[in-house]
Amino acid sequence: DAMVIQNPRYQVTQFGKPVTLSCSQTLNHNVMYWYQQKSSQAPKLLFHYYDKDFNNEADTPDNFQSRRPNTSFCFLDIRSPGLGDAAMYLCATSGGDFSYEQYFGPGTRLTVT
Amino acid sequence: QQQVKQSPQSLIVQKGGISIINCAYENTAFDYFPWYQQFPGKGPALLIAIRPDVSEKKEGRFTISFNKSAKQFSLHIMDSQPGDSATYFCAASKQTSYDKVIFGPGTSLSVIP
Repeated sequence: DAMVIQNPRYQVTQFGKPVTLSCSQTLNHNVMYWYQQKSSQAPKLLFHYYDKDFNNEADTPDNFQSRRPNTSFCFLDIRSPGLGDAAMYLCATSGGDFSYEQYFGPGTRLTVT
Repeated sequence: QQQVKQSPQSLIVQKGGISIINCAYENTAFDYFPWYQQFPGKGPALLIAIRPDVSEKKEGRFTISFNKSAKQFSLHIMDSQPGDSATYFCAASKQTSYDKVIFGPGTSLSVIP
């Protein structure tokens, strides 16, 4: 089945220690998104790629970076995680036949100790 | 103008009852209104969506009612089941493959036996 895959599902990192989360998709969608979701809140868009074009949300901290080496993969790098960065990180894609529909991965739960 | 309001914040419904969640938007440029269902520890999943050229869309037990003039839309879950217990997000966007989705704050639904 075509899908959005996120690894790892759970990540524990230390305060200030860089961490990378990964997302891959078999949907061949041209748009990939990274969201941050904290408990009992809606997903908050951090940035998205339209093909190779990177689009950063104005309020996304500089601590968050992203890379998209090819259509299938996208990475979220947190350069110096703080306690406030503990959250669920969701990857999503869009760009199929119904191009406005977003498909979410299962998420990576990040814990910062 | 980008905000999507959602109510109630939480909802408890008896098994077999009707669950109703209401949303309102301000930006008349929005032309796509999806609902996402999210179970604990999972990513949001697209449940049902509507475009403003129709006033109602039904898929199984799930119905969206849309009032364009009032800029309001709602989700009705008929014959609610314990397996429907989840957080529901309404959302709004424009029908392009790269436009951001604006999420409502979410409604936590509990269906009790």
